[in-house]
Amino acid sequence: GAVVSQHPSWVICKSGTSVKIECRSLDFQATTMFWYRQFPKQSLMLMATSNEGSKATYEQGVEKDKFLINHASLTLSTLTVTSAHPEDSSFYICSASRKTQVYNEQFFGPGTRLTVL
Amino acid sequence: AQSVTQLGSHVSVSEGALVLLRCNYSSSVPPYLFWYVQYPNQGLQLLLKYTSAATLVKGINGFEAEFKKSETSFHLTKPSAHMSDAAEYFCAVRRPTGKLIFGQGTTLQVKP
Repeated sequence: GAVVSQHPSWVICKSGTSVKIECRSLDFQATTMFWYRQFPKQSLMLMATSNEGSKATYEQGVEKDKFLINHASLTLSTLTVTSAHPEDSSFYICSASRKTQVYNEQFFGPGTRLTVL
Repeated sequence: AQSVTQLGSHVSVSEGALVLLRCNYSSSVPPYLFWYVQYPNQGLQLLLKYTSAATLVKGINGFEAEFKKSETSFHLTKPSAHMSDAAEYFCAVRRPTGKLIFGQGTTLQVKP
């Protein structure tokens, strides 16, 4: 159990276009989902926290108008990179939070590789 | 605020040798600590976690870690490295808000 999927696994787009990435919890309901960004050879940086039915909370320095997050249901959150530019090229990873006896554990998706030409 | 520091961005061991990946934490409250592994172009897989129960935590693939409060450390070890252990390893601390804060990562190279 606790499987998280992402779609697409990779995407190439032209500069100026928008790209949507989906994150789904396949076998559990996730009230909270997180979006991370990872540059090559670097660590994961939290971009935003997404709660079902409410606005996402963005980390300092992350443009909320650039990275639109929607958490429409307990199993789906989407990240839309608007007007993408080459500097937005990165590996985007989501995680979904499931409550355990001790704490809310995060389960990670396989990631989406975005390349902006 | 909670944070973690991984000492050594790159560790190289021979197959069959001991693996030791270092992680030190900073936290004003009892921390929840985690080790994750990441293979190229993949997401993160949880190796093990410390949630204030036993200080010696055993994880998957023969890995274990010991929580040492006096040293503020949570180092990851494996007695005998296997070629398949070559990957990127991340230590992380969980903040009370639920956010995970990751260390810089350590690349483990296993030489035949």
